[in-house]
Amino acid sequence: KAGVTQTPRYLIKTRGQQVTLSCSPISGHRSVSWYQQTPGQGLQFLFEYFSETQRNKGNFPGRFSGRQFSNSRSEMNVSTLELGDSALYLCASSPRQGANEQYFGPGTRLTVT
Amino acid sequence: KQEVTQIPAALSVPEGENLVLNCSFTDSAIYNLQWFRQDPGKGLTSLLLIQSSQREQTSGRLNASLDKSSGRSTLYIAASQPGDSATYLCAVVDRGSTLGRLYFGRGTQLTVWP
Repeated sequence: KAGVTQTPRYLIKTRGQQVTLSCSPISGHRSVSWYQQTPGQGLQFLFEYFSETQRNKGNFPGRFSGRQFSNSRSEMNVSTLELGDSALYLCASSPRQGANEQYFGPGTRLTVT
Repeated sequence: KQEVTQIPAALSVPEGENLVLNCSFTDSAIYNLQWFRQDPGKGLTSLLLIQSSQREQTSGRLNASLDKSSGRSTLYIAASQPGDSATYLCAVVDRGSTLGRLYFGRGTQLTVWP
């Protein structure tokens, strides 16, 4: 069974631009979560989606948004990029919402210049 | 708010040593605890998941224990190998409204030299 896939793997954007990252969960998994990883803050929770609905949201500004499609694929969008948004963005999937084992993708490395 | 701490932050050992990595969390009302491995610039690989009702889990040379009442977990690595070099992260899932959200520690960076 294929693992969690994320595209693109690497991205370079300029301050003020917006970006969209994509995540395809493991087949049959319906819950998708997003995390931001930086050297300064470590891994921080962004949001969780289940059945196309956002179930949980972390403490990030409204510039960070996401959505989930009927096939469980998820996208996250960051508008008006700032230098501090440079990070590794990780997506995780699990079979159901809630406290199941979570499986992570390889991440998207975003660099904002 | 749940806070997860991992000690030590870094560890460098010769091949063959048995290791203990520590993880502590402030709120004992957890649903489960998960240990991950992360190689540089890569995603997270799940190593072990311990449900709150369990005391330990084992996979190969890895053994993780959980003492929920004291808010502690340990990851034991037997007969370490250079291929074990990576950052090890522990994460907990709280009961309650944030069910499903992982709270991560900052990790222990492990180097095993030949």
